[in-house]
Amino acid sequence: EPEVTQTPSHQVTQMGQEVILRCVPISNHLYFYWYRQILGQKVEFLVSFYNNEISEKSEIFDDQFSVERPDGSNFTLKIRSTKLEDSAMYFCASTRTTRATQYFGPGTRLTVL
Amino acid sequence: ELKVEQNPLFLSMQEGKNYTIYCNYSTTSDRLYWYRQDPGKSLESLFVLLSNGAVKQEGRLMASLDTKARLSTLHITAAVHDLSATYFCAVDDRPGTASKLTFGTGTRLQVTL
Repeated sequence: EPEVTQTPSHQVTQMGQEVILRCVPISNHLYFYWYRQILGQKVEFLVSFYNNEISEKSEIFDDQFSVERPDGSNFTLKIRSTKLEDSAMYFCASTRTTRATQYFGPGTRLTVL
Repeated sequence: ELKVEQNPLFLSMQEGKNYTIYCNYSTTSDRLYWYRQDPGKSLESLFVLLSNGAVKQEGRLMASLDTKARLSTLHITAAVHDLSATYFCAVDDRPGTASKLTFGTGTRLQVTL
């Protein structure tokens, strides 16, 4: 069964450094999402992406964040200058059509020191 | 702003018992999801409920949706230890556009022997 994959599974970085989190959505999916979950808290929407542009972004998704689909398979989330409060689990999700069930990847745990 | 609340936040129950998790949301929506999350793992889709009165069942779990009351329930029948996990409801209130899931606070279910 096709699934969403994410790399790395765990990333440790120093405050102020740039990180890129990578996702490979399910191959025939067209809508892509990033969510984050701070330890012990609920899952929060960051951004949705369709047709090579952002569809919607949350207040969390400020100028430090960007997304890109650099080729036909990868979908990346870049945090330009990480802060301590960016420490969280980041989940990528994808759907084939709008408003279909979102399938989540295994997540990347980001730790900012 | 859409708010999604779940209760209880934590539920400890004995094997064989029945219980219900409640999910209330604050605005009109025609699409509600239930996800399961095991510790340190990703989100697994359990149910999607698309209309008022919708009921879905899988094994010992049954989910229902009352759009007029803005309430969904997840009923657990004769709980077993394998059901121990955190359960999230999530509401999609974006008709006709790319999805944006707003998650509830989660209910951590612990089934004891």
